Amino acid sequence: LAKTTQPISMDSYEGQEVNITCSHNNIATNDYITWYQQFPSQGPRFIIQGYKTKVTNEVASLFIPADRKSSTLSLPRVSLSDTAVYYCLVGANTDKLIFGTGTRLQVFP
Amino acid sequence: GAVVSQHPSRVICKSGTSVKIECRSLDFQATTMFWYRQFPKQSLMLMATSNEGSKATYEQGVEKDKFLINHASLTLSTLTVTSAHPEDSSFYICSALKGKADEQFFGPGTRLTVL
Repeated sequence: LAKTTQPISMDSYEGQEVNITCSHNNIATNDYITWYQQFPSQGPRFIIQGYKTKVTNEVASLFIPADRKSSTLSLPRVSLSDTAVYYCLVGANTDKLIFGTGTRLQVFP
Repeated sequence: GAVVSQHPSRVICKSGTSVKIECRSLDFQATTMFWYRQFPKQSLMLMATSNEGSKATYEQGVEKDKFLINHASLTLSTLTVTSAHPEDSSFYICSALKGKADEQFFGPGTRLTVL
């Protein structure tokens, strides 16, 4: 399973765009890139998933370069409620998920 | 989406007792479920993969005789922490795999406190 590397923490202010980059140099051909959000004392919540190029949904965008060795989660106009830990994972959808350290995002008013 | 529930949401028990945690997929069938534990300020750590109708596959370092997993139906997996000790106090989270190529859906977690 590919390992991922993310910044341990990030700070932002309300209304700003936040970009969290994840490195996954050993990603395999059939691996997808999935991002989860976790609030304290809750299970992770799916945010977005992609294989290559760009994916956008109602809450985020995911940018994946051609070599797929990294990905960037983009959260537009964050609010206080976006304060959470964000995990980047790579693997085939049927694989067991190995969580890395995640990125602790703190949004300030 | 798909919903996964866990019961109980939190449990306090005495050292030496056993505790059972249930994980249910409410609106889909899941042949595969996963169990994680999470200590404060740490990431999720995969404990085992639970497959319906077969023995669970445990990750290295996880004692299978201490953490008993039973996946008796397509919608229910249980994790039993046997002879619990204070160091077993943690947040236990399950996830269920929907379909053969779909995402994993996580439960809300169970907070276990062993006194």
